[in-house]
Amino acid sequence: DQQVKQNSPSLSVQEGRISILNCDYTNSMFDYFLWYKKYPAEGPTFLISISSIKDKNEDGRFTVFLNKSAKHLSLHIVPSQPGDSAVYFCAAKRGSQGNLIFGKGTKLSVKP
Amino acid sequence: GAVVSQHPSRVICKSGTSVKIECRSLDFQATTMFWYRQFPKQSLMLMATSNEGSKATYEQGVEKDKFLINHASLTLSTLTVTSAHPEDSSFYICSARRSGDHTGELFFGEGSRLTVL
Repeated sequence: DQQVKQNSPSLSVQEGRISILNCDYTNSMFDYFLWYKKYPAEGPTFLISISSIKDKNEDGRFTVFLNKSAKHLSLHIVPSQPGDSAVYFCAAKRGSQGNLIFGKGTKLSVKP
Repeated sequence: GAVVSQHPSRVICKSGTSVKIECRSLDFQATTMFWYRQFPKQSLMLMATSNEGSKATYEQGVEKDKFLINHASLTLSTLTVTSAHPEDSSFYICSARRSGDHTGELFFGEGSRLTVL
């Protein structure tokens, strides 16, 4: 049973617009959430994270929102750039030594 | 930032042979390293957790005798795919957690593409 779900396998956005990537989770014990970006044939790179005690974290063009009651988080990229085109993975963990549980990823395409 | 290096990045081997993939943390010590496998259009699947100086912990369904993991030092973990078969062809990725870091952030290697003929 998937504990971390990214229900949209792909998303296409026009350059300059906002990209919103969504992630749902089922385990209420998760206390830390991360977003990773992955280009083809490369390892994922860390993008942004959020602790369960917060509801928003912002870093430049990237903002992550957490809605604990809905067990939902989202990554906003604004403005979107063609270089943002990649697969984005949502991940969650429980406890300081917990393993990361990844979603299946969402492929973002930003068109010029 | 912390750097994790994987080697080789690509390897092609014949069916029945064994292949070793190395994962090194270049500028930090990693008590724990993780090995993942990615199939096309699928998520990163955690295969095993590698702890320095102890036996690896394998996820359900992962054959420990087929995927041998050794974490002999704080900067090196190896994954050996023994008696490889075409169905083992995949993209293998390692990640490392900095010793003492409790944020959950992992640093990933570049990945290794294994093709078994």
